[in-house]
Amino acid sequence: QKEVEQDPGPLSVPEGAIVSLNCTYSNSAFQYFMWYRQYSRKGPELLMYTYSSGNKEDGRFTAQVDKSSKYISLFIRDSQPSDSATYLCAMRSITGNQFYFGTGTSLTVIP
Amino acid sequence: DAGVIQSPRHEVTEMGQEVTLRCKPISGHDYLFWYRQTMMRGLELLIYFNNNVPIDDSGMPEDRFSAKMPNASFSTLKIQPSEPRDSAVYFCASSRTGAHHNEQFFGPGTRLTVL
Repeated sequence: QKEVEQDPGPLSVPEGAIVSLNCTYSNSAFQYFMWYRQYSRKGPELLMYTYSSGNKEDGRFTAQVDKSSKYISLFIRDSQPSDSATYLCAMRSITGNQFYFGTGTSLTVIP
Repeated sequence: DAGVIQSPRHEVTEMGQEVTLRCKPISGHDYLFWYRQTMMRGLELLIYFNNNVPIDDSGMPEDRFSAKMPNASFSTLKIQPSEPRDSAVYFCASSRTGAHHNEQFFGPGTRLTVL
């Protein structure tokens, strides 16, 4: 079983839709949860990160962590064509320096 | 800062040849990571360094792969001999200790094709 599981999609939505992206994980030691966005032929870039459980909001993006279910989500409100990219979740433990990435979900927002 | 710099951006080589990928991390960052990305396996950590010292190389596929970091501003990943299954995009990333450690800055990647 992989440490982090992520549905690869692809996911296609109309402009303005609410998008939900999800990951599950198996290691209960994970405490930091991150979402990276990767445009085609570019390196990933950090969108946001959260510590432990709860929600974090940044503009149109909301990250949610449910540690009891070992489940994290990224919600994108009012999706835009510029949001079209691959979204990767990542996580690590408090003391660990290794980041565990999901395989990424490909998102296309259709104008 | 120019960000993480990788070279070459593209590399096409024949099976059995030696390949060397290069990375310059962001100045002041004390962690450096090498990843490999494929459609099938996603982003895989190969090795990471802290203060130029290799900390965990358990992700290096086999002895054909080696990595060095001779100083804080330069690292190499070498594959010798290369095989077609090594074809992938190789990313270098760097980060700082502390609260900022969760943000890894990735380079543009090296797209490697082994024929």
